[in-house]
Amino acid sequence: GIQVEQSPPDLILQEGANSTLRCNFSDSVNNLQWFHQNPWGQLINLFYIPSGTKQNGRLSATTVATERYSLLYISSSQTTDSGVYFCAVQDSNYQLIWGAGTKLIIKP
Amino acid sequence: GAVVSQHPSRVICKSGTSVKIECRSLDFQATTMFWYRQFPKQSLMLMATSNEGSKATYEQGVEKDKFLINHASLTLSTLTVTSAHPEDSSFYICSARDRGTGSYEQYFGPGTRLTVT
Repeated sequence: GIQVEQSPPDLILQEGANSTLRCNFSDSVNNLQWFHQNPWGQLINLFYIPSGTKQNGRLSATTVATERYSLLYISSSQTTDSGVYFCAVQDSNYQLIWGAGTKLIIKP
Repeated sequence: GAVVSQHPSRVICKSGTSVKIECRSLDFQATTMFWYRQFPKQSLMLMATSNEGSKATYEQGVEKDKFLINHASLTLSTLTVTSAHPEDSSFYICSARDRGTGSYEQYFGPGTRLTVT
């Protein structure tokens, strides 16, 4: 089956810093989603991005499907950005295959 | 838009009892809903896929007689954990696809934390 790898596993930054999270996948996928899981467990949809670049405020994402990776950029980090960021790809059955996540801690 | 609710958010039950968790799509119709389980510090594990009006499809290793899923309408799916035991304690999360958009994007509920004593 498709393997999804996220890096780094942990990231600690000062407020105001920028960060780049990476998601590599092992095979062609139908789609890719980025999520933020807040400390209470709620998964928040960030991007639904099979290819190309999207931006939403301080966040942007780029997926290069031909090279099987996606990047999530967070600029001017705030403490509320803390949590776990998951990348999940959709396989041929449109089911989500999850990465292990990147735990982000933003210090004030 | 695309809001999914879950009820209850937390439940504590005694070993041997059954617990029902509801998942609702509040502002869209969902022909397909998904149930996941998440262990501490891990990613989500798909338990089953439910389609409105038909039987759920369970992932390998998930006991369908223990985790009963009913998708009775386009906005409601329920997960019943029967004869719960402490090893069933976990964070259960549902998701739904919006049939109106034709997109395969999944929207997630806030989760239900189950503790079996």
